[in-house]
Amino acid sequence: EIVLTQSPATLSLSPGDRATLSCRGSPRVSNYLAWYQKRPGQAPRLLIYDTSNRATGVPDRFSGSGSGTYFTLTISSLEPEDFAVYYCQQRSSWPFTFGPGTKVDLK
Amino acid sequence: EVRLVESGGDLVQPGGSLRLSCAASGFIFRSSAMAWVRQAPGKGLEWVSSISSSGDIRYYADSVKGRFTISRDSSKNTLYLQMTSLRAEDTALYYCAKEGPGLVATVLGLWDYWGQGTLVTVSS
Repeated sequence: EIVLTQSPATLSLSPGDRATLSCRGSPRVSNYLAWYQKRPGQAPRLLIYDTSNRATGVPDRFSGSGSGTYFTLTISSLEPEDFAVYYCQQRSSWPFTFGPGTKVDLK
Repeated sequence: EVRLVESGGDLVQPGGSLRLSCAASGFIFRSSAMAWVRQAPGKGLEWVSSISSSGDIRYYADSVKGRFTISRDSSKNTLYLQMTSLRAEDTALYYCAKEGPGLVATVLGLWDYWGQGTLVTVSS
C-alpha cells in the first residue's frame, strides 16, 4: 500500500499569501496524484489530477507539480474561500489512498 | 448539472446492517464508474469501494472486504452500498463519488463529483 504523508499539518496564512503544500509518497508514486479541497460541511472538490492538470472550473491560482515521491500544490494568492483542508490522493496502485490532509487556516 | 444525493445513513448497533443509496442525475449514469469514500469524525478521507459502469468489476478496501457490497441499478440511476457486520470503526460520513473527469467507464480512482454524504453511526 502506498502511504502518503502531507506537510505541514497546518498552514496559517493571510489572504493574498502564497501557499505551498507538500505530499510525499512511499513507495514511489507515478504521476497519478490528485489534490482535493474539503471545506467544513461541503463535499470534497477535485482541484488537480495527474500531478498538474486543473479540474474543470478550478481557478488558475491553483497549480500542481512534482514527480516520483514528492508533490506540491501551490495556491499563488489565497482568497477567503481557499481556507480549507487539502488532501492528496494516489491512484497509482491499489488500494487508492489519501494523505492525512493539510489545513490552511487564517493567521 | 451533475447531482449525487446519498441516503440511508442511520444509527445502527454493532453487528448490524445498513444499505446506502446514491441517486445520480445530470450525467449518463450507465456510462460512468462510481465509488464510495468515507470520512470518520475528525479524520481524513478513506476510499471504500468502486464499481465499473457495467457493474461487473468491483473493488473494495481491505477494511470492508467481505462485509460491504457495492452495486448499481442503471434503470434507477442509483448506486448502492450494502453494509453488514458493522463495527464502531465504520462510523463515518459516506460520500458517493463519480469517476472522472468526464464519462469514465472503468475504475481509475479519480473522482470529479461528490455528493454531500450520509452519516452512518455504529454504536450500542
